[in-house]
Amino acid sequence: DSGVTQTPKHLITATGQRVTLRCSPRSGDLSVYWYQQSLDQGLQFLIQYYNGEERAKGNILERFSAQQFPDLHSELNLSSLELGDSALYFCASSVGVAGGYEQYFGPGTRLTVT
Amino acid sequence: SQELEQSPQSLIVQEGKNLTINCTSSKTLYGLYWYKQKYGEGLIFLMMLQKGGEEKSHEKITAKLDEKKQQSSLHITASQPSHAGIYLCGARSGGSNYKLTFGKGTLLTVNP
Repeated sequence: DSGVTQTPKHLITATGQRVTLRCSPRSGDLSVYWYQQSLDQGLQFLIQYYNGEERAKGNILERFSAQQFPDLHSELNLSSLELGDSALYFCASSVGVAGGYEQYFGPGTRLTVT
Repeated sequence: SQELEQSPQSLIVQEGKNLTINCTSSKTLYGLYWYKQKYGEGLIFLMMLQKGGEEKSHEKITAKLDEKKQQSSLHITASQPSHAGIYLCGARSGGSNYKLTFGKGTLLTVNP
């Protein structure tokens, strides 16, 4: 158990819908990262927050957004869902904001868009 | 953008055999992370290497970083069925860049 929690574990929804994925980082970690894993693209970085502020963006679609709350948990919002958004979404956390810190991953949320 | 190539893509070994997985970067490595993943599950952190020549071990798994070759290797000694899974390497492309770019993974099967 990495100490990073994600809910829900599974999510099945229809195209065009909107969903919210939730992540709680390890105790003491201030950075939260979101990654998307699919068979064709592999594991890709989406976005990072540090202590409530956005710090880095990767291959995140405009239909996706995220935020980190004062209690440090984070939410990833996916809207206007398409079939291609079906994937495993992981949250990771680390102590610091810069490189050199270990990133611990949560168990993931499997999103299926039908 | 940085790309990581892992080799081999898949590996089948007999229990008790040693094996090595390689991860080669297209750019300078500022930090190399190794993770293990069971299919459809979360990533388990194995090791992080930051300096050229650095070598770390955890139980029967050893990882090395060759900065000059922009490469890292993961070596498992006396493999066991519990070592089976997908091994992923991830790397930072800059000193202050904290996002990780990942390789496609190496699928390891250990036959008893």
